[in-house]
Amino acid sequence: QSVLTQPPSASGTPGQGVTISCSGSSSNIGTNYVYWYQQLPGTAPKLLIYRNDQRPSGVPDRFSGSKSGTSASLAISGLRSEDEADYYCAAWDDSLSGLFGGGTKLTVL
Amino acid sequence: EVQLVESGGGLVQPGRSLRVSCRASGFTFDDYAMSWFRRAPGKGLEWVGFIRSKAYGGTTAYAASVKGRFTISRDDSRSIAYLQMSSLETEDTAVFYCGRSMSGFGELSVDYWGQGTLVTVSS
Repeated sequence: QSVLTQPPSASGTPGQGVTISCSGSSSNIGTNYVYWYQQLPGTAPKLLIYRNDQRPSGVPDRFSGSKSGTSASLAISGLRSEDEADYYCAAWDDSLSGLFGGGTKLTVL
Repeated sequence: EVQLVESGGGLVQPGRSLRVSCRASGFTFDDYAMSWFRRAPGKGLEWVGFIRSKAYGGTTAYAASVKGRFTISRDDSRSIAYLQMSSLETEDTAVFYCGRSMSGFGELSVDYWGQGTLVTVSS
């Protein structure tokens, strides 16, 4: 069981918005940055959000990140079929370890 | 163009060792921390560890699950990062990915990834 908790699945229809949550603790999300990754089937992960709410160049502004206390969220607006993927949150822990959430499988209906 | 190419994966018996490599091109390798991750079959992503750039002391950090068994190193002259794995267990079976951190410090912000190399630990 992962230290960072994500819902195992989420879904939405094209054009809708969806939010994926990530819950941690004071030793990880509470005091460190949160990152979000997208992994399409059979491919390497892709960085979507870094330092809580920053988007790397090339990532559409349909993807946004936020953090409050010991929780974080990834919001995806205007869902597209190509958004169907696994999404992971990540954060550094004060125990000197990197942590990932268990992943959320997003289905675009 | 930034490229990361892993090699060295394969089938290995439990208890044995294996070294996987990550050859980088298209950027100044010395300036960046390099990280390793894995994804076991049917499981999620897992951070394995990183090595900082020489400017940050070239220090390393590892996940508890691999600490003492895995070693990350780098050869800046050849732009290669290595993941040396020893005392391998069946639970180490996974696709291993290397990645370039966005800085030399080694945050979890990895902006470029290799294609992954499969390591299968089985007798």
